[in-house]
Amino acid sequence: KNEVEQSPQNLTAQEGEFITINCSYSVGISALHWLQQHPGGGIVSLFMLSSGKKKHGRLIATINIQEKHSSLHITASHPRDSAVYICAVRLRNAGNMLTFGGGTRLMVKP
Amino acid sequence: ETGVTQTPRHLVMGMTNKKSLKCEQHLGHNAMYWYKQSAKKPLELMFVYNFKEQTENNSVPSRFSPECPNSSHLFLHLHTLQPEDSALYLCASSQNHDRANTGELFFGEGSRLTVL
Repeated sequence: KNEVEQSPQNLTAQEGEFITINCSYSVGISALHWLQQHPGGGIVSLFMLSSGKKKHGRLIATINIQEKHSSLHITASHPRDSAVYICAVRLRNAGNMLTFGGGTRLMVKP
Repeated sequence: ETGVTQTPRHLVMGMTNKKSLKCEQHLGHNAMYWYKQSAKKPLELMFVYNFKEQTENNSVPSRFSPECPNSSHLFLHLHTLQPEDSALYLCASSQNHDRANTGELFFGEGSRLTVL
């Protein structure tokens, strides 16, 4: 079992819908990253958080340390949001090593 | 444009070839990373360089050899690879406050490697 589990694995939405992607982890962490990977392969860091909530444009990331859970929300989704969204955690005492989830493939249809 | 540039974007090589992947970051960061992404598997960390010193080697076979001549450049030298090494190789950089605290990661576009 992977230490980082994402759900759903695949998600199809209509343009304008509110989207939620979930990430659960089973060990103590010091930080959690949300990443976006487009079909060409390049990865963009969306958020790095260790508590609470962060917002950037239409994207919102939340984390609940006690429940070992994080969510990524996309409001007013758009076809250009179609990508793979990856959750990664930095385990406590693991230095620079990140453990990655398997990703959620999102397709937003016009 | 993330400030991290990888070349080549695509590489096809035979099992007896020697080739290198190059990564350059223009962000003034002090840490650089090599990640491997195989089909249908999560990203895997391969190597980490902090302040030009290799601080992580995630049990990577010796046919992969990293080199970090300065804090802006990172290479991955490839020698006698296997077909199962075909994957997307991603370089990243970050500004770390110390060796244990990873800052936000900035990734390159990746080098897609095919080993015949």
